[in-house]
Amino acid sequence: SQKIEQNSEALNIQEGKTATLTCNYTNYSPAYLQWYRQDPGRGPVFLLLIRENEKEKRKERLKVTFDTTLKQSLFHITASQPADSATYLCALAPNSGYSTLTFGKGTMLLVSP
Amino acid sequence: GAGVSQSPSNKVTEKGKDVELRCDPISGHTALYWYRQSLGQGLEFLIYFQGNSAPDKSGLPSDRFSAERTGGSVSTLTIQRTQQEDSAVYLCASSGAGQAIAKNIQYFGAGTRLSVL
Repeated sequence: SQKIEQNSEALNIQEGKTATLTCNYTNYSPAYLQWYRQDPGRGPVFLLLIRENEKEKRKERLKVTFDTTLKQSLFHITASQPADSATYLCALAPNSGYSTLTFGKGTMLLVSP
Repeated sequence: GAGVSQSPSNKVTEKGKDVELRCDPISGHTALYWYRQSLGQGLEFLIYFQGNSAPDKSGLPSDRFSAERTGGSVSTLTIQRTQQEDSAVYLCASSGAGQAIAKNIQYFGAGTRLSVL
């Protein structure tokens, strides 16, 4: 069956450091991979999307890599800030265009001053 | 407001009662999705509406769950004869038109927290 794995343990880092979160998947061939941020009591908020034929995508302090051979995506936040503290969700889309998403359980990031 | 709106934000009900959860998507978005998020679990897909096509109900956990979308806009998720295991946050999302990437990105509401006593 399809499986998406994200680190269940919270990631604690110091302000200014780079946070790296991992998303691994099995039995899946996604067209797109997305990363969302979720704060307590809120719905997920879209951050970045990367296509299966792309290796890397950047947006401001965020960077996503996608390795379809390893079936893995890495999500990096450089120069992290306490405001980056949240849960980050990896989501896979089987199709381009309109598509339901399969989500990982998320990894909580805690950035301390 | 420009975002996805869900109501109520919190709902407490007794086991066996029926509940209705409402979702108002972003204006102009033709695709609407319902997910469920239980404590410590990832988002679980429930049902998906796109335009006038038949909805994808493949994620509904039992026949106690149903949803409709009227006029291609507002959607209502109904849970009949609620059980304690139905307690969760129910999230609605919508996605818009345009290129494939724009259609793929989902915008979520804040959710309805359902507690079944």
